[in-house]
Amino acid sequence: AQSVTQLGSHVSVSEGALVLLRCNYSSSVPPYLFWYVQYPNQGLQLLLKYTSAATLVKGINGFEAEFKKSETSFHLTKPSAHMSDAAEYFCAVSAYSSASKIIFGSGTRLSIRP
Amino acid sequence: NAGVTQTPKFQVLKTGQSMTLQCAQDMNHEYMSWYRQDPGMGLRLIHYSVGAGITDQGEVPNGYNVSRSTTEDFPLRLLSAAPSQTSVYFCASRKGTENTGELFFGEGSRLTVL
Repeated sequence: AQSVTQLGSHVSVSEGALVLLRCNYSSSVPPYLFWYVQYPNQGLQLLLKYTSAATLVKGINGFEAEFKKSETSFHLTKPSAHMSDAAEYFCAVSAYSSASKIIFGSGTRLSIRP
Repeated sequence: NAGVTQTPKFQVLKTGQSMTLQCAQDMNHEYMSWYRQDPGMGLRLIHYSVGAGITDQGEVPNGYNVSRSTTEDFPLRLLSAAPSQTSVYFCASRKGTENTGELFFGEGSRLTVL
């Protein structure tokens, strides 16, 4: 069984500050991990994914995430927040051997203060 | 570039009514799925399909039926709507059946059951 936990339902940072969104996973097999972003009134879009290659993954819009097996974490970071980053962010986990189920976290809403 | 198209975007039902949420994709994706999004609970998988004629249950399948007669279409049926089914529904598709691929989401269908 797999699960994912996102710590903090709402994160607020100032424009230009570091963005850190936390995600911890549980998986009995090697996981595939994803971050998706949802802008208001839209569907989700893929930001980045980890599929057992490099542990530091770079995505779109300057975001990156690091897979840490020892900590079962896949936190999302961006060095300098922009107003356009305000959105909801979802971490998701799946496994190659699973029956095509992708499990999403509960989401973290990111607000950017001017 | 249509991608994943969901209809209707908004729907209000009375308890006990039935309806079908339509989902169509024009990317020739093998995998299609339905999620519901509720505040604080993220996205939960309802049903999914890995190809025409093949469907399977996700995390929260009760009260919903699906079928996959063509590669392009994956309708979600509510046979007897209940207030607990008030939610935003997302259809998503993916090329191939491996879990490494990106999910492409529709814009969502907001359903209210009175």
